[in-house]
Amino acid sequence: QQPVQSPQAVILREGEDAVINCSSSKALYSVHWYRQKHGEAPVFLMILLKGGEQKGHDKISASFNEKKQQSSLYLTASQLSYSGTYFCGTDYNTNAGKSTFGDGTTLTVKP
Amino acid sequence: GAGVSQSPRYKVAKRGQDVALRCDPISGHVSLFWYQQALGQGPEFLTYFQNEAQLDKSGLPSDRFFAERPEGSVSTLKIQRTQQEDSAVYLCASSLGVIIYSPLHFGNGTRLTVT
Repeated sequence: QQPVQSPQAVILREGEDAVINCSSSKALYSVHWYRQKHGEAPVFLMILLKGGEQKGHDKISASFNEKKQQSSLYLTASQLSYSGTYFCGTDYNTNAGKSTFGDGTTLTVKP
Repeated sequence: GAGVSQSPRYKVAKRGQDVALRCDPISGHVSLFWYQQALGQGPEFLTYFQNEAQLDKSGLPSDRFFAERPEGSVSTLKIQRTQQEDSAVYLCASSLGVIIYSPLHFGNGTRLTVT
């Protein structure tokens, strides 16, 4: 079952913050986050396992709320290079071997 | 090392033609996935290999779609008697596959247009 991402689109000025959410109606084992620029391959950002851990690098971080079956991606002090479409990919059990992706959130960062 | 390589980058086929899409995964990656991405949507799972074994093909939309990975490296996705609804970007991804939470490394995809 496909996870639901929100918002569908967001426009920011450089330096502003954004939060992208990914919700599932089924119990999650792990959540992956990817960024895809137009005409390019999705690029892996980070992966979170159930347990509510938070990960991050640079000014991009994410959390996983197991009770809510939700993951959130936090982008702080956004840069022009952050523009693109962000996808969450969800795994529902340890033997899935595949991810189910949301429809994406398009982030546009303007100078 | 090199990333995941897909060819051709673009393919135009007339309805009814057969097409073959190739994927060269990252060397040493055990798992290989095919996804279909329609415009404005997220990648949708088609099929999954672990080495040469096709472990899951539940996402293949019809029996016109066939995938293989005979030697556990290069994979080919074949679509027979293409239809207009097959038009999409076909993404290949590979992962180490040693543990379930291995990140996916995607290729740039093949954009298939069926006229």
